[in-house]
Amino acid sequence: LAKTTQPISMDSYEGQEVNITCSHNNIATNDYITWYQQFPSQGPRFIIQGYKTKVTNEVASLFIPADRKSSTLSLPRVSLSDTAVYYCLVGDPWGGKLIFGQGTELSVKP
Amino acid sequence: NAGVTQTPKFRVLKTGQSMTLLCAQDMNHEYMYWYRQDPGMGLRLIHYSVGEGTTAKGEVPDGYNVSRLKKQNFLLGLESAAPSQTSVYFCASSYPKAGQSSYEQYFGPGTRLTVT
Repeated sequence: LAKTTQPISMDSYEGQEVNITCSHNNIATNDYITWYQQFPSQGPRFIIQGYKTKVTNEVASLFIPADRKSSTLSLPRVSLSDTAVYYCLVGDPWGGKLIFGQGTELSVKP
Repeated sequence: NAGVTQTPKFRVLKTGQSMTLLCAQDMNHEYMYWYRQDPGMGLRLIHYSVGEGTTAKGEVPDGYNVSRLKKQNFLLGLESAAPSQTSVYFCASSYPKAGQSSYEQYFGPGTRLTVT
């Protein structure tokens, strides 16, 4: 199973770009990389997903190098409301080998 | 649409008691999952189902059983609760279909279970 590792916590200020990296050295061919956001007392919420190269949506970008052994979630111009825990998930969407990272607690300060 | 709902929201059990957690989704999703979340451990997959009548083990299945008798419901059972099963339990559903732009999971609000 792919083991995922992410920083435990990060601090940032409003308006800055935040990059959170997840390491997944044993990623399998069929595995996708997905990032979720979680607020206290709520279930995780989907942010972005990718398989390789770069993916961008209206809230974030996901960078995946050619060897796919890591991925970086980029949040442009964070605000106070982006304070949350961010999880990296590696796994096959059609299978049950889904491994979450331990989560990165992002704190955005004014 | 209510999305994914979980019943109950909170529960306290004594060691050895049994209970069932109910997850329901109204999105016609094929796949459903049960996770547990413990401090510093992220979310760990307990069991999952790829369709009505099917279930499979995840990363941490011991001490739990599941059933998927109806497509919209996924039940998680604890036959003899132990303090180590104190956790927050999340249910999720998804519908991975080839050609979609993403294969995201939709999560419920969670059930906080304490076993004393």
